Amino acid sequence: GAVVSQHPSWVICKSGTSVKIECRSLDFQATTMFWYRQFPKQSLMLMATSNEGSKATYEQGVEKDKFLINHASLTLSTLTVTSAHPEDSSFYICSARGRGSPWYEQFFGPGTRLTVL
Amino acid sequence: DQQVKQNSPSLSVQEGRISILNCDYTNSMFDYFLWYKKYPAEGPTFLISISSIKDKNEDGRFTVFLNKSAKHLSLHIVPSQPGDSAVYFCAASGGYGGSQGNLIFGKGTKLSVKP
Repeated sequence: GAVVSQHPSWVICKSGTSVKIECRSLDFQATTMFWYRQFPKQSLMLMATSNEGSKATYEQGVEKDKFLINHASLTLSTLTVTSAHPEDSSFYICSARGRGSPWYEQFFGPGTRLTVL
Repeated sequence: DQQVKQNSPSLSVQEGRISILNCDYTNSMFDYFLWYKKYPAEGPTFLISISSIKDKNEDGRFTVFLNKSAKHLSLHIVPSQPGDSAVYFCAASGGYGGSQGNLIFGKGTKLSVKP
């Protein structure tokens, strides 16, 4: 149980375009979803936290207008990288926590590798 | 500034021996620590955790030790098996901007268990 999927697993786009990444909880209702970014040889860095039906809370230094997060349902959250630039190339990974789960519990998706040319 | 540090990027161990993965942290407000295991092309999966009120937690072959005075924790795997080969992430929570539930991750240690 507690499977989280991400789509696409790998995307290449041109500079200036926008890319949408989907995160789905397949067998549970995700009341909270987290978006992380990992640069090569670096740790997972939390970008934002979103609760179903409310606006995402962004971490310091993360541009909310550039990284649009929508958590419209209990099984789906999307991250849209707007006007992507090469420096946005990274590994984006989401995680989800279900209703009634311990606060520290997060189930991770497999990640999406974004390459901006 | 890294609040959670895993200073060894890689570790190689013989099958059947003990694997010891280390993690240091700087924020004394952290009160919960977790270890995740990550296989290639998969997301991290929860392995074991420990609260700051304890100094040891054991689950089968996996034991986590916490030394609060040294701000250090370690994950022991014994006996190590080839299937344990993965990247292990240490994570901490509790002191990050007061937001309970936010995890601060280390960079990970790649464990290779050789048959």
